[in-house]
Amino acid sequence: KAGVTQTPRYLIKTRGQQVTLSCSPISGHRSVSWYQQTPGQGLQFLFEYFSETQRNKGNFPGRFSGRQFSNSRSEMNVSTLELGDSALYLCASSLETSGVAKNIQYFGAGTRLSVL
Amino acid sequence: GDSVTQMEGPVTLSEEAFLTINCTYTATGYPSLFWYVQYPGEGLQLLLKATKADDKGSNKGFEATYRKETTSFHLEKGSVQVSDSAVYFCALSDQRIRDDKIIFGKGTRLHILP
Repeated sequence: KAGVTQTPRYLIKTRGQQVTLSCSPISGHRSVSWYQQTPGQGLQFLFEYFSETQRNKGNFPGRFSGRQFSNSRSEMNVSTLELGDSALYLCASSLETSGVAKNIQYFGAGTRLSVL
Repeated sequence: GDSVTQMEGPVTLSEEAFLTINCTYTATGYPSLFWYVQYPGEGLQLLLKATKADDKGSNKGFEATYRKETTSFHLEKGSVQVSDSAVYFCALSDQRIRDDKIIFGKGTRLHILP
């Protein structure tokens, strides 16, 4: 069974640009969550999607948005990039949406975004 | 709100040493507790979990016991290997809260010297 796939693996952008990151969950998983990982702040939750609906949202500005498609694939978009957006962006999928199984999350290898 | 506090790293040990990585939590409900591990260049993967007080999670020689009285979930391994070098994340989630999300600690980087 294929794991969680994130594309691209690496991305370099300049301030003010926008970027779209893609995540394909494990087959059969309907919940997809996004995280930002930086050395200073650690792992911070961005948002979670289930059945094309955002179920949960972290404390990030509106420049960060996401969506989920009917096949459970998800994208996140960051507009008007800032230097501080440089980070590893991780996507995770899970099988269930409640109970302990919800939080057994399977992570992709991430997209490393550098903003110059 | 709920939170997780881990010991700061990096932690550097020699091969075959005993490992403890401390984790304490704050939660108003009855959380489940997790340890995730991130190897270099990879995403996180679940290492072990415990869903109620006094449960012991174990996997790959690692263990952690859910201690409600001390609100702790310390990770231990009796004899570490070079291949255990990674970043370890303690996490919690309270399934009794609708739309709960998993809360991660900041991570502890572990270096094992041959």
